[in-house]
Amino acid sequence: DVKVTQSSRYLVKRTGEKVFLECVQDMDHENMFWYRQDPGLGLRLIYFSYDVKMKEKGDIPEGYSVSREKKERFSLILESASTNQTSMYLCASTPPSGRVDTGELFFGEGSRLTVL
Amino acid sequence: QKEVEQDPGPLSVPEGAIVSLNCTYSNSAFQYFMWYRQYSRKGPELLMYTYSSGNKEDGRFTAQVDKSSKYISLFIRDSQPSDSATYLCAMTFSGNTPLVFGKGTRLSVIA
Repeated sequence: DVKVTQSSRYLVKRTGEKVFLECVQDMDHENMFWYRQDPGLGLRLIYFSYDVKMKEKGDIPEGYSVSREKKERFSLILESASTNQTSMYLCASTPPSGRVDTGELFFGEGSRLTVL
Repeated sequence: QKEVEQDPGPLSVPEGAIVSLNCTYSNSAFQYFMWYRQYSRKGPELLMYTYSSGNKEDGRFTAQVDKSSKYISLFIRDSQPSDSATYLCAMTFSGNTPLVFGKGTRLSVIA
C-alpha cells in the first residue's frame, strides 16, 4: 500500500515563528503536492514538485516555500507564520503519467496547524 | 465563474436512501474525473475514477460523466452510516497535471 506520512498531525505555533511541515512517501513517486484545506474553501494547491529540486507554484504560494532535496521527501515551510495560515495541510503524491495516467493522488493524514 | 462547482451541503439522508452528488465544471479540456471520500480528520482517498464520458460502477457506487453538459455525478445506492463523509470531485487535463477540486459535499447517513 502507498503510504504518505506527515510527521506532525497537530501543531500550535506563534505568529512569526518558522514552521516546517514534513511529508514522506514510500512508493517512489515523482510527483508531490502540498494543499491546504479550509471550511468553505475546499482544497487549494500551494506548491507541487515533479522531481527532486524542482518546484512549481500552485494557486496560493504566498507566504510559503518548499524543499525537495530527496525524491521521497517534500517539505512545506512557513517562513513567518501568521494567523491566516491556521489550516489543515495535506500532502499528496502520485506516480508520473508514464506509469499511471489517472493522476490519482495519494494523501497523507493531514497536519492541523494553529497559529496563535 | 469557479472552474469546478460543487454544492457543499450538508446533505442528510436516511439509511438505505439513494444519494446523488454532483459537480459542474467550466473547462471542456478536462478528461479525467475522480471522486474522493474524506472521513473526518483523515486525508481524502480515491473512491471512483472515470476517463472521458460514460458511467462506471463499483459496488454501491456509480460515477457518471456527461462532457457535453460539463456535469459529473456520483450515485450511492443503499447508503450506509459508514458512507458519512465529505465527498470531493476532482478533475484534470492529463495524468501529470494538478487536479482541480470541488469544495466537497458533506454527507450524513442517519441510521
